[in-house]
Amino acid sequence: EPEVTQTPSHQVTQMGQEVILRCVPISNHLYFYWYRQILGQKVEFLVSFYNNEISEKSEIFDDQFSVERPDGSNFTLKIRSTKLEDSAMYFCASSYSEGDTQYFGPGTRLTVL
Amino acid sequence: AQSVTQLGSHVSVSEGALVLLRCNYSSSVPPYLFWYVQYPNQGLQLLLKYTSAATLVKGINGFEAEFKKSETSFHLTKPSAHMSDAAEYFCAVSDRTDSSYKLIFGSGTRLLVRP
Repeated sequence: EPEVTQTPSHQVTQMGQEVILRCVPISNHLYFYWYRQILGQKVEFLVSFYNNEISEKSEIFDDQFSVERPDGSNFTLKIRSTKLEDSAMYFCASSYSEGDTQYFGPGTRLTVL
Repeated sequence: AQSVTQLGSHVSVSEGALVLLRCNYSSSVPPYLFWYVQYPNQGLQLLLKYTSAATLVKGINGFEAEFKKSETSFHLTKPSAHMSDAAEYFCAVSDRTDSSYKLIFGSGTRLLVRP
């Protein structure tokens, strides 16, 4: 069964450093999403992406964040200058169409020291 | 704005007992509703979804949920709990008000199953 994969599973970084979280969505899916879950809090929407552009972003998704689909298979989330409060589990998701089921990856746990 | 409330951050049941996890939603449009399960150190796995067809939705692993518009609820049930059901369960609503379809999640309920 096709699945969404994410790498790395755990990333530790120093405050102020740039990180790139990688996702490989299900191959025939067209809509891509990033969510995050700070420990003990709700899963929160960050950004949705379709047709090589952002379709919606949340208030959390400020200028420090960017997304890219560099090669038709990977979908990345970049945080330019990490803050302590960026420590969270980051989930990638994909769906075939709008409103269709979103399939989630296993997540990347980001720890900012 | 859409929102989801899950009553009870922890629910504990005995193996073989009924599982009931509560979810109430707020939505200005007919909602799409989902239950996801997260096992330790794993991602979110879809259990079931409601998208305006039958109000009683059956999912994987013997779970089902009933959409009740009058109560704005979408509670998850399973007649007989199994030890392998121990996990965290998330209710979510799809935000269709601006065609973004992003998911809005509840706080989650951790299900503990006692032997």
